[in-house]
Amino acid sequence: EDKVVQSPLSLVVHEGDTVTLNCSYEVTNFRSLLWYKQEKKAPTFLFMLTSSGIEKKSGRLSSILDKKELFSILNITATQTGDSAVYLCAVNRGAQKLVFGQGTRLTINP
Amino acid sequence: SQTIHQWPATLVQPVGSPLSLECTVEGTSNPNLYWYRQAAGRGLQLLFYSVGIGQISSEVPQNLSASRPQDRQFILSSKKLLLSDSGFYLCAWGRATYNEQFFGPGTRLTVL
Repeated sequence: EDKVVQSPLSLVVHEGDTVTLNCSYEVTNFRSLLWYKQEKKAPTFLFMLTSSGIEKKSGRLSSILDKKELFSILNITATQTGDSAVYLCAVNRGAQKLVFGQGTRLTINP
Repeated sequence: SQTIHQWPATLVQPVGSPLSLECTVEGTSNPNLYWYRQAAGRGLQLLFYSVGIGQISSEVPQNLSASRPQDRQFILSSKKLLLSDSGFYLCAWGRATYNEQFFGPGTRLTVL
């Protein structure tokens, strides 16, 4: 059975800290790995990763994929209160079907 | 640019009542469409997806059904709601040529 596991499930840090969120997966027919940010409502797309070792970066957020060890990390540097959200990892296993992890709830305290 | 709409935003329904949630997409043609459910504190579970009008695939056996009467319209239905149907329902669209999916604003359903 396809599985995506995120850790930690919950994280509380102070503004300005750097955080690393983890996502490991076991899926057949891996196509890509996606990260989403979910605040109150719909998840918003952050990154899509298809190749190992190539970092994707957007401002203070960055992500990298290791297809040999079957995991990805999402880094956020110099965190701000606006980064507080649930971060979701999903793996595309073909036919455009996404398998989601349970999410990491990140809380940034001022 | 593409936009995805869902309504209603919130819904409170008694057990045993019917359900109809609607999703429409603008700015694209022949999208793949998806219905997900998110239970409190959980990840997203794929319920149905559709690659074209009248083509529906179900991912999990359940009390719900889906229909796609038009190219950019996706409907989630139930004849009789159960307590366990409560959750946050998200519609998403994607393309066969790329992997990202984009989500609508969601409907929070509470079954009492």
